[in-house]
Amino acid sequence: GQQLNQSPQSMFIQEGEDVSMNCTSSSIFNTWLWYKQDPGEGPVLLIALYKAGELTSNGRLTAQFGITRKDSFLNISASIPSDVGIYFCAGLQGGSEKLVFGKGTKLTVNP
Amino acid sequence: EPEVTQTPSHQVTQMGQEVILRCVPISNHLYFYWYRQILGQKVEFLVSFYNNEISEKSEIFDDQFSVERPDGSNFTLKIRSTKLEDSAMYFCASSEFQGSSYEQYFGPGTRLTVT
Repeated sequence: GQQLNQSPQSMFIQEGEDVSMNCTSSSIFNTWLWYKQDPGEGPVLLIALYKAGELTSNGRLTAQFGITRKDSFLNISASIPSDVGIYFCAGLQGGSEKLVFGKGTKLTVNP
Repeated sequence: EPEVTQTPSHQVTQMGQEVILRCVPISNHLYFYWYRQILGQKVEFLVSFYNNEISEKSEIFDDQFSVERPDGSNFTLKIRSTKLEDSAMYFCASSEFQGSSYEQYFGPGTRLTVT
């Protein structure tokens, strides 16, 4: 089915550390999007990926579209306190406008 | 930078009442969406809207829900007879959805509380 398995569910790290999280699915997705959500706010788009194997950066964030089109990874380098929040992966399948979301990775950064 | 706006930020209503949630999508976007997020859970798709009609909807979007673009800027979600389980954050999103851009941009949300 159209499920995205996102891991880890939560991470507790020290400021300055690098972070890695991923999303996997049994289904193929044509587009992967990564969002960050702060408490009580809407998801904010971080990175969009459109091609299998694509590696895209946005500042300290780097995301990759898996070769199989069934997974994606997000890395954050040199974390800072404002990186705290919930990170969601989301995917689009061919012929559909419906974004399928993962359950999120809650990131806590200790100064 | 253009952004999606939503009103109200918080709506409290009694079970059985009708509510209308309002959104102003990004002005040059063609596709509009509603999603909801029950507290502590993932974001779930409700409906997409293009060219003044629903283009896709989920099983959550039953006969109690309707969407409308009453004028050139607003996009609304109506819940006819609210239930306790409708309590959630409701997010509007918009997208160009053409060429290479399938990015959906979300508004800040309306927190709906049904008592």
